[in-house]
Amino acid sequence: EDQVTQSPEALRLQEGESSSLNCSYTVSGLRGLFWYRQDPGKGPEFLFTLYSAGEEKEKERLKATLTKKESFLHITAPKPEDSATYLCAVQAYNTDKLIFGTGTRLQVFP
Amino acid sequence: GAVVSQHPSWVICKSGTSVKIECRSLDFQATTMFWYRQFPKQSLMLMATSNEGSKATYEQGVEKDKFLINHASLTLSTLTVTSAHPEDSSFYICSARGRGQRGNQPQHFGDGTRLSIL
Repeated sequence: EDQVTQSPEALRLQEGESSSLNCSYTVSGLRGLFWYRQDPGKGPEFLFTLYSAGEEKEKERLKATLTKKESFLHITAPKPEDSATYLCAVQAYNTDKLIFGTGTRLQVFP
Repeated sequence: GAVVSQHPSWVICKSGTSVKIECRSLDFQATTMFWYRQFPKQSLMLMATSNEGSKATYEQGVEKDKFLINHASLTLSTLTVTSAHPEDSSFYICSARGRGQRGNQPQHFGDGTRLSIL
């Protein structure tokens, strides 16, 4: 069964304190792994898509990496505005369906 | 680009009434739209996938007679919760993928509808 597990569930960081969020997955043939950011009461905002092991994507303070079993979202020198829930989702071959993890709730304090 | 608008953002209604939620792609044509439900501190769960001009495909355990989905145009899909009851209270979110995009291109999400049934 396709599954996504994210850790930690919650993370509190001081502004400027870099860290990583983990997304472990099992899927019957990975078609794509997606990272989204979700603010309270809002829909998910697309961040990155990764398609194959070894791939990396970067955007401002965020960098996503992918192996055959997990993906990491690295946050470098975070700012309070980076506070949000970060969601990971996988899509298997021959399906449109995204399987989401429960997310990591990130809080960055000034 | 890739803006998805969802309306209403919040609705409160009495048990037994039907509620319609609209999902529009504002700056692109969406051949495929998706409807999700999210409970507090839980992940998004796909309810159904709709393709323009054809019947929606429902996930296992989702009652198609209760959650009516219509995708009549390339920019609009609607979800109607019929005879809603308190257990239907949740956060409903739609997403869309653009015309011509490969199947593994990202879905773009609306801001969700908070449904509260009294």
